[in-house]
Amino acid sequence: NAGVTQTPKFRILKIGQSMTLQCTQDMNHNYMYWYRQDPGMGLKLIYYSVGAGITDKGEVPNGYNVSRSTTEDFPLRLELAAPSQTSVYFCATSGVAGELFFGEGSRLTVL
Amino acid sequence: QQQVKQSPQSLIVQKGGISIINCAYENTAFDYFPWYQQFPGKGPALLIAIRPDVSEKKEGRFTISFNKSAKQFSLHIMDSQPGDSATYFCAARVGNFNKFYFGSGTKLNVKP
Repeated sequence: NAGVTQTPKFRILKIGQSMTLQCTQDMNHNYMYWYRQDPGMGLKLIYYSVGAGITDKGEVPNGYNVSRSTTEDFPLRLELAAPSQTSVYFCATSGVAGELFFGEGSRLTVL
Repeated sequence: QQQVKQSPQSLIVQKGGISIINCAYENTAFDYFPWYQQFPGKGPALLIAIRPDVSEKKEGRFTISFNKSAKQFSLHIMDSQPGDSATYFCAARVGNFNKFYFGSGTKLNVKP
């Protein structure tokens, strides 16, 4: 039982490149989230989804896109990477009880 | 603006002491207040949580105190141990969207 799996764990991008962070869960949870974590800033919600086919913006959505075609997968797309997107990205899921389950994170550096 | 304000940013406590972390919020739509613990290189994990109809919840050495009228809640770690050294985040949930907002985090260092 893997829980929430994120790939890749580390990535270095050049300014202007694009990439997709993958997130897969085997917990059969409807809710899925993408957060970014910057030092001293806590976790900021980028996008979230309440089920397959339904997504919505969080606190800091600019520069990102998401899709949710299945219950299991919630990829995060970065278009035209910028140094401000250097961060640690966490995917999370939640069931009806409200507890968030996080992946181990993806550390992205944009140079 | 920051939906949940957390303090202090860092905390040093001697082994056996009490660690106290405070959070405050304004949004009365929040209906669930969890605390998460994060070790370096790992994702946050749920530590303890409280709902606003309860003023205190205790699980082992960890206690949440909740003051609904003041819109404040705090985490108390009794008999702090070096293994408690981690970053702690408070959070609050808007129930009808299941959206969670996090505080800025407190890095706790428990000295042996």
